[in-house]
Amino acid sequence: DQQVKQNSPSLSVQEGRISILNCDYTNSMFDYFLWYKKYPAEGPTFLISISSIKDKNEDGRFTVFLNKSAKHLSLHIVPSQPGDSAVYFCAASRPNYGNKLVFGAGTILRVKS
Amino acid sequence: KAGVTQTPRYLIKTRGQQVTLSCSPISGHRSVSWYQQTPGQGLQFLFEYFSETQRNKGNFPGRFSGRQFSNSRSEMNVSTLELGDSALYLCASSLDRGSYNEQFFGPGTRLTVL
Repeated sequence: DQQVKQNSPSLSVQEGRISILNCDYTNSMFDYFLWYKKYPAEGPTFLISISSIKDKNEDGRFTVFLNKSAKHLSLHIVPSQPGDSAVYFCAASRPNYGNKLVFGAGTILRVKS
Repeated sequence: KAGVTQTPRYLIKTRGQQVTLSCSPISGHRSVSWYQQTPGQGLQFLFEYFSETQRNKGNFPGRFSGRQFSNSRSEMNVSTLELGDSALYLCASSLDRGSYNEQFFGPGTRLTVL
């Protein structure tokens, strides 16, 4: 039962343009969502998070949007840079489950220069 | 502040053996979680420790176990290794101030079972 889904296995974007990575979830109990970036043979790097009481959170070039009614979140990267090329994972957690994260399958982002 | 460290970084074992992996969290972080990453199953939660107690457990067989020490360092152990245990094992730590805790990952231990 895949509770967090990233339906796009890969995305290719031109340098300087916007990258939009999408994530859907099925469990309405999730109340905290995180995005991680991962390079091969390294651990995931935390990028940005959002709690269910918000619908938007910004940090520099990264903005996460949350649509609770659609059970959908997206990560916007503006402007995209070649160094952003990596695998992006969204993850979700729910109350009373401690820090257990449920991850999506990941989206490979390629930023072309 | 130093990040999450994991040792060893690479490990090769044979079927039937056991293995112990170590994780040192960020200073001051009391929660340590373990994840397994494989090409087929992605990132899956193994267990979480907080104040030396297992707080959550994922859907893994009893061959996978862990513990946490009073200094928050954690170890995980896999007994009777199987070929399918080959994976990247990741440790994450969190300050755990209540709700909405960011987790920070270590570089992982790449385990290969032959």
